[in-house]
Amino acid sequence: SQQGEEDPQALSIQEGENATMNCSYKTSINNLQWYRQNSGRGLVHLILIRSNEREKHSGRLRVTLDTSKKSSSLLITASRAADTASYFCARMDSSYKLIFGSGTRLLVRP
Amino acid sequence: IAGITQAPTSQILAAGRRMTLRCTQDMRHNAMYWYRQDLGLGLRLIHYSNTAGTTGKGEVPDGYSVSRANTDDFPLTLASAVPSQTSVYFCASSAGGSSGANVLTFGAGSRLTVL
Repeated sequence: SQQGEEDPQALSIQEGENATMNCSYKTSINNLQWYRQNSGRGLVHLILIRSNEREKHSGRLRVTLDTSKKSSSLLITASRAADTASYFCARMDSSYKLIFGSGTRLLVRP
Repeated sequence: IAGITQAPTSQILAAGRRMTLRCTQDMRHNAMYWYRQDLGLGLRLIHYSNTAGTTGKGEVPDGYSVSRANTDDFPLTLASAVPSQTSVYFCASSAGGSSGANVLTFGAGSRLTVL
């Protein structure tokens, strides 16, 4: 499969804690993106990191990229109940198609 | 409101029937995509189109066909539906191109059940 692997598959934390999700991939990338999906809804783009970048921030989100290890991580700081959702990484391949991982289901307990 | 419209929202279909899922975007995006989402497997790319008049195969194209006659519409057709095509189908679009910033906008999805 061309899909990446995401770890963990599911994560349950208390409100206020940080949540870290990891993504690994097998082939070279143009960029790597993270998306969020609320139950039963379409995906929403969160953040994009290019292959020549190592870290990027957006509000409470921090994304890192290690191209030598072919891995990325998404950190959500000071989590809120409203952050409960599934989170997907997606790598852009050389023909500009986005290939998604299997996702991490995050539950933030109030 | 600019975005992607998918229809139908939900459909139950007998095996062997033909079905077309419709997708329309009003953002003048060049690229459009069809994904299917199955529990535990994330999203898998079925077909894509980088620009009107062109289409390409994704990870799981068998049993599906697409057309891209104009910029706005990208219908997905199941010529003869089978139960394994039961899934949630998402259409997406992006500005496309080689800038490397192909951020996708997704539709709300079409839930298809094949009996």
